[in-house]
Amino acid sequence: AQRVTQPEKLLSVFKGAPVELKCNYSYSGSPELFWYVQYSRQRLQLLLRHISRESIKGFTADLNKGETSFHLKKPFAQEEDSAMYYCALLLIQGAQKLVFGQGTRLTINP
Amino acid sequence: EAGVTQFPSHSVIEKGQTVTLRCDPISGHDNLYWYRRVMGKEIKFLLHFVKESKQDESGMPNNRFLAERTGGTYSTLKVQPAELEDSGVYFCASSQAGSPSTQYFGPGTRLLVL
Repeated sequence: AQRVTQPEKLLSVFKGAPVELKCNYSYSGSPELFWYVQYSRQRLQLLLRHISRESIKGFTADLNKGETSFHLKKPFAQEEDSAMYYCALLLIQGAQKLVFGQGTRLTINP
Repeated sequence: EAGVTQFPSHSVIEKGQTVTLRCDPISGHDNLYWYRRVMGKEIKFLLHFVKESKQDESGMPNNRFLAERTGGTYSTLKVQPAELEDSGVYFCASSQAGSPSTQYFGPGTRLLVL
């Protein structure tokens, strides 16, 4: 079955420190993975997708098919990075739906 | 460009009552999705419309939930009768035809069933 796992519900780091939000997936097909972010009082928005291989707001994520992981990283955390982060897998065979992890609440301490 | 809008933003009802949630997708988006997050759980897919047709409703929890998208524009999600376990945040998302990977989310409707 398709599944996305984010092992950390809460993550707290100091400003300027590196941050890594973990995401593992289970999917028999070719995965298309995303990170979504929800800032306080804002809607869920796409942060980045693996096929774009881009860096958004200093964040990067590399798909590792061997480890079935898609961890989100940023070398130097900023206070405005505090938010809820969701890893998601897109299923397009049959259904076109996103399968989400439980989310990680990231808090950046000053 | 206006984003996905949802109404109401909050709803508090008693068990057994009926509630109807509305979603207005981005204009021109054929794909419309409903998701929900119940307390402490992950965001889960409910169903997917392509224009006015239900493409996939495998995530609908039971027959107390009814979704419609008459005319292929806005969509409604009715819960009748509501139960305590229906409490949560209901999200709507939309995407352009042929672009399921770019889903734009609405702000969500917070439903509390007492």
